[in-house]
Amino acid sequence: QQPVQSPQAVILREGEDAVINCSSSKALYSVHWYRQKHGEAPVFLMILLKGGEQKGHEKISASFNEKKQQSSLYLTASQLSYSGTYFCGTLKGANFGNEKLTFGTGTRLTIIP
Amino acid sequence: GAGVSQTPSNKVTEKGKYVELRCDPISGHTALYWYRQSLGQGPEFLIYFQGTGAADDSGLPNDRFFAVRPEGSVSTLKIQRTERGDSAVYLCASSLKSSYNEQFFGPGTRLTVL
Repeated sequence: QQPVQSPQAVILREGEDAVINCSSSKALYSVHWYRQKHGEAPVFLMILLKGGEQKGHEKISASFNEKKQQSSLYLTASQLSYSGTYFCGTLKGANFGNEKLTFGTGTRLTIIP
Repeated sequence: GAGVSQTPSNKVTEKGKYVELRCDPISGHTALYWYRQSLGQGPEFLIYFQGTGAADDSGLPNDRFFAVRPEGSVSTLKIQRTERGDSAVYLCASSLKSSYNEQFFGPGTRLTVL
């Protein structure tokens, strides 16, 4: 089943912060975050494994709460280059046969000057 | 180094025709994935190869869709008797070993079935 992301869309002014949430109805092993700009391929941001891990990439960080089957992506002091559609992808297990990455519904982020 | 490449970038075909979409992954990547993306949606998993074998083909919508990776590098997605509902962007991705690694996506093939 497809993870649900919220919000569906958000508009920010440059320098503002945003949080994007990803929720699954199934137990998760890992959550993967990608950003896709219009007309381009998705680009990897980070992977979070179960264990309540938190990761950061410059001003973009994320957390994973496996008990709640949720992950959140945090964008601080947003830049124009952050615009795009953000997708979470989820994996159910760590073994052969559970390697199907299921992408979420997407969150469109627009940063305005 | 070179990224994932896909050909053609655009394919327009008529309903009922057969099409082949090609993916050239990053050299040395053993895992290869095909996804389909419709406008405004996230990538939808179709099939995953580990080496030459299809490790998971549960996302293929029906038996009109088939994919091969005979030598463990280049892969071809084949669609028979195309239907208008097959129109979408078909994305290919590769990763070093498995889904637990970063996936590198190609630019996609936009398929339009008239």
